[in-house]
Amino acid sequence: DTGVSQNPRHKITKRGQNVTFRCDPISEHNRLYWYRQTLGQGPEFLTYFQNEAQLEKSRLLSDRFSAERPKGSFSTLEIQRTEQGDSAMYLCASSNIGGRDYLNYGYTFGSGTRLTVV
Amino acid sequence: KNQVEQSPQSLIILEGKNCTLQCNYTVSPFSNLRWYKQDTGRGPVSLTIMTFSENTKSNGRYTATLDADTKQSSLHITASQLSDSASYICVVSDSRQNFVFGPGTRLSVLP
Repeated sequence: DTGVSQNPRHKITKRGQNVTFRCDPISEHNRLYWYRQTLGQGPEFLTYFQNEAQLEKSRLLSDRFSAERPKGSFSTLEIQRTEQGDSAMYLCASSNIGGRDYLNYGYTFGSGTRLTVV
Repeated sequence: KNQVEQSPQSLIILEGKNCTLQCNYTVSPFSNLRWYKQDTGRGPVSLTIMTFSENTKSNGRYTATLDADTKQSSLHITASQLSDSASYICVVSDSRQNFVFGPGTRLSVLP
């Protein structure tokens, strides 16, 4: 297990198309987070899962956005009818809340998916 | 409102010099504070994490300090290298493990 994996690394899509990103967290990590980051800004929280349950969604997550974590392992983030304002880096992170290694290793980011909407 | 502020917004230094980045927070109740390094186009990578009882932690040339009374943290980089050019993000967690991100400090190390 080499860390949090995100695919694809880059995605270019035309406005109005749907896109889906995938995140594979560190195995045994029970929490999975999605963030959006625009150039020069810190990551903005979108949503997170505790196992398969989606526990919180940001107001940034409009109805065009949907996230799933069907079996409590990998997660997908889908954006429907993409707009140019959706262009950003989408980051996934995982942690093991309650795990004994939480404070040492607990919150790990993937390398992100860079979305460009043209 | 829980907030994390960082200063300066950007910093340019010459290779070999030291620098210090600042983080102020209002997150309560406080659980832990992390510093991340984010290279352009990559995800953030953890440098240090400190809990309430810790006031300093080192990771190679990176030394983080925490003053829980004044709610301030600093990240000191010693003998900077070109590869230190990145954004440095301060992240503070509350007791429910909600994470509040700072906007980051963009560091450029020039030869």
